[in-house]
Amino acid sequence: GAGVSQTPSNKVTEKGKYVELRCDPISGHTALYWYRQSLGQGPEFLIYFQGTGAADDSGLPNDRFFAVRPEGSVSTLKIQRTERGDSAVYLCASSRGLAAPYNEQFFGPGTRLTVL
Amino acid sequence: AQSVTQLDSHVSVSEGTPVLLRCNYSSSYSPSLFWYVQHPNKGLQLLLKYTSAATLVKGINGFEAEFKKSETSFHLTKPSAHMSDAAEYFCVVSDRTGANNLFFGTGTRLTVIP
Repeated sequence: GAGVSQTPSNKVTEKGKYVELRCDPISGHTALYWYRQSLGQGPEFLIYFQGTGAADDSGLPNDRFFAVRPEGSVSTLKIQRTERGDSAVYLCASSRGLAAPYNEQFFGPGTRLTVL
Repeated sequence: AQSVTQLDSHVSVSEGTPVLLRCNYSSSYSPSLFWYVQHPNKGLQLLLKYTSAATLVKGINGFEAEFKKSETSFHLTKPSAHMSDAAEYFCVVSDRTGANNLFFGTGTRLTVIP
């Protein structure tokens, strides 16, 4: 079946602009996660959803970052007033549930965001 | 708090020789531990996971890892490296109290020399 998909694969924007990054999880997966991977680093947790609600948003770096999942499937990560430091690969993952053995996270290919 | 330390940023081995990628963890709780692999331009793929069952965990592509609580280690090994193993490897810890956030190490880049 189809895996996690993310669009766009690449996004170049200018400092101060607004961007939206989209994630389509695996069908039927109730949990969805966002991570950010800066160059030369491991992914860092941003936020995760169980259904439509954000269960933990403790990794969002500041209030310029926001994510939604209005129907419990597709999620959008929104970044306002982008800064050069936001440049990174944004990864999305989904899992069937939150408890083992259903909590294995499957990752998408990522969106590479470049802020000029 | 949970964290992992990958002791080598880059490991280089010859094809057919053993692979050892080292990882130490820190966790306030009994951890779940994982190894993920990231090939260029591909998504992260789970190699194996430890969740308090057997301490020696076997994964895909001939990889295995051993959980050693006394040493707080979870090193990844493979008896014989293949060219296709060249990639970035991440050691990951998860809090087992209910949160599902994954905490990644900084990664080890494995190079396989023909």
